[in-house]
Amino acid sequence: DTEVTQTPKHLVMGMTNKKSLKCEQHMGHRAMYWYKQKAKKPPELMFVYSYEKLSINESVPSRFSPECPNSSLLNLHLHALQPEDSALYLCASSQGLATHNEQFFGPGTRLTVL
Amino acid sequence: QKEVEQDPGPLSVPEGAIVSLNCTYSNSAFQYFMWYRQYSRKGPELLMYTYSSGNKEDGRFTAQVDKSSKYISLFIRDSQPSDSATYLCAMSAKIYNQGGKLIFGQGTELSVKP
Repeated sequence: DTEVTQTPKHLVMGMTNKKSLKCEQHMGHRAMYWYKQKAKKPPELMFVYSYEKLSINESVPSRFSPECPNSSLLNLHLHALQPEDSALYLCASSQGLATHNEQFFGPGTRLTVL
Repeated sequence: QKEVEQDPGPLSVPEGAIVSLNCTYSNSAFQYFMWYRQYSRKGPELLMYTYSSGNKEDGRFTAQVDKSSKYISLFIRDSQPSDSATYLCAMSAKIYNQGGKLIFGQGTELSVKP
């Protein structure tokens, strides 16, 4: 199984809502990532978890809160978002953090903030 | 100057053509080079992965890395309409101590016309 799954596929939320994005992989990978992608732009790294510990936070605003409950799951909690946060949110995983580890992406959650 | 430069296109070719996609980069520490294919509204799919300089072939796809020129290429032979997508180059280097950080090009939008 070489699949990374993400739920929901689409999410519409107001600026006062709280919602969560979920990501799951069953490849035994120990590194998991959140990326944000705007239209016609490359993915931008947000967070990296390694062995369930936060390894990289790319100065992401606190209205985005990641969580890694176990080695297979990664969540992104959203609160008080702004319309400019509307984007495709991608989860990825790799065997580890070594630079030779290939990253595999999920299909993404398309988020619209009203 | 961006670390990785990639012509965004769009690039339009007839079915059966040979397609050449390219990226240049400025950081000589990059060692691992990837090509991702991303269909509209989907997550990126890893196509090719190469280490250091050299060629790698997989079916209709050939990836080339020339570290002396800081230039990477992806060739698609006998292009098909199903190859129509955005192609993202990505690379990584050990200077990012925590590892796992991919630097993406802007992506090239390819359209293969029947």
